[in-house]
Amino acid sequence: NAGVTQTPKFRVLKTGQSMTLLCAQDMNHEYMYWYRQDPGMGLRLIHYSVGEGTTAKGEVPDGYNVSRLKKQNFLLGLESAAPSQTSVYFCASSYLLAGDKETQYFGPGTRLLVL
Amino acid sequence: GDSVTQMEGPVTLSEEAFLTINCTYTATGYPSLFWYVQYPGEGLQLLLKATKADDKGSNKGFEATYRKETTSFHLEKGSVQVSDSAVYFCALSGRYSSASKIIFGSGTRLSIRP
Repeated sequence: NAGVTQTPKFRVLKTGQSMTLLCAQDMNHEYMYWYRQDPGMGLRLIHYSVGEGTTAKGEVPDGYNVSRLKKQNFLLGLESAAPSQTSVYFCASSYLLAGDKETQYFGPGTRLLVL
Repeated sequence: GDSVTQMEGPVTLSEEAFLTINCTYTATGYPSLFWYVQYPGEGLQLLLKATKADDKGSNKGFEATYRKETTSFHLEKGSVQVSDSAVYFCALSGRYSSASKIIFGSGTRLSIRP
């Protein structure tokens, strides 16, 4: 049981390049999330998904796209990377919403540097 | 909107010292409250949580009590160890469209000296 895994662990991009971050979970969770973590700002939600084939915008969605073609995978895409997207990206997943008692399970993170 | 405010770090303590990390929140309704911990080079892990007023969450010697009257959820530990060095995030669960969303504080870095 690997939990939540993320690929790659670290990546350097040049401005304007594109890339896709992969998140995979083996816990059969319905909900998946992408966050970015910046110094002094905690975690901010980029996009999330409430089930296979569905996605929705979070707090800071601009410049990112996502897809949830399979229940266990949640992809985050950057079409044209900008230096402002330099950050650490975390994926998380959780069970179906159960009131407000939900716990999220996080992956180890992807460190992205955009030059 | 909902928000979480926690004390700024870094916090540096000697081993076996008493730890308090303050956390206050603003929320409509009755959120659940969480403490997550991030060890160096790793993702966030749930440390403890409380789902209603006066509940006490506890784990690994850490405790936090959900205080509705003061809108607080302070994290405490009686005797810290070097292995407790990490970043600690206070969080609450809110509602965001149809999904449960967790709102995080900015994090408090804790360093423990041997």
